[in-house]
Amino acid sequence: DQQVKQNSPSLSVQEGRISILNCDYTNSMFDYFLWYKKYPAEGPTFLISISSIKDKNEDGRFTVFLNKSAKHLSLHIVPSQPGDSAVYFCAASINDYKLSFGAGTTVTVRA
Amino acid sequence: EAGVTQFPSHSVIEKGQTVTLRCDPISGHDNLYWYRRVMGKEIKFLLHFVKESKQDESGMPNNRFLAERTGGTYSTLKVQPAELEDSGVYFCASSQDRGRGQETQYFGPGTRLLVL
Repeated sequence: DQQVKQNSPSLSVQEGRISILNCDYTNSMFDYFLWYKKYPAEGPTFLISISSIKDKNEDGRFTVFLNKSAKHLSLHIVPSQPGDSAVYFCAASINDYKLSFGAGTTVTVRA
Repeated sequence: EAGVTQFPSHSVIEKGQTVTLRCDPISGHDNLYWYRRVMGKEIKFLLHFVKESKQDESGMPNNRFLAERTGGTYSTLKVQPAELEDSGVYFCASSQDRGRGQETQYFGPGTRLLVL
């Protein structure tokens, strides 16, 4: 039973434009959400997080938006750079530490 | 500061054999997690240690998997006997424990296990 879903397996964007990655969840008890970035043959690297008491968190080029009523979060990357090409995982937890992950979205930034 | 390290990076074994994976968390991190990613699907939780105690092992697939964390430092995950469906990438992660939850988990590079 997958509680976190990333319905777009891939995304292609031109360098300099905005990348928008989406994530939906089913468990309303989730109260902490994270985005991880993963390069081939490496482990996931923490990117940005957001608590359920907020609806937006920004860190440089990365912004995460949370819509609790829709059980939806998104990651915006502006502007997209070639080094952003990677797999992005959405993850969520219920404050009991273990993370539930989506299947990932592969982002390709075109020059 | 060193990150989470895992050994070996790759392991190829035959069905029925035993494999032991090791994880060294970031120094000072009391929380240690094991996750697994099978065939490019989502990363799934296996279990969680707080220091040397198993806090949650609800994700362990069956009793062929045994995890230990002696002394609350490094952890091992043993698969015995290995089956074909155990193939995948095993990730270890660690985080601090300040009693508030919502701590960021830092992942190791993973061990790629292939069971033939």
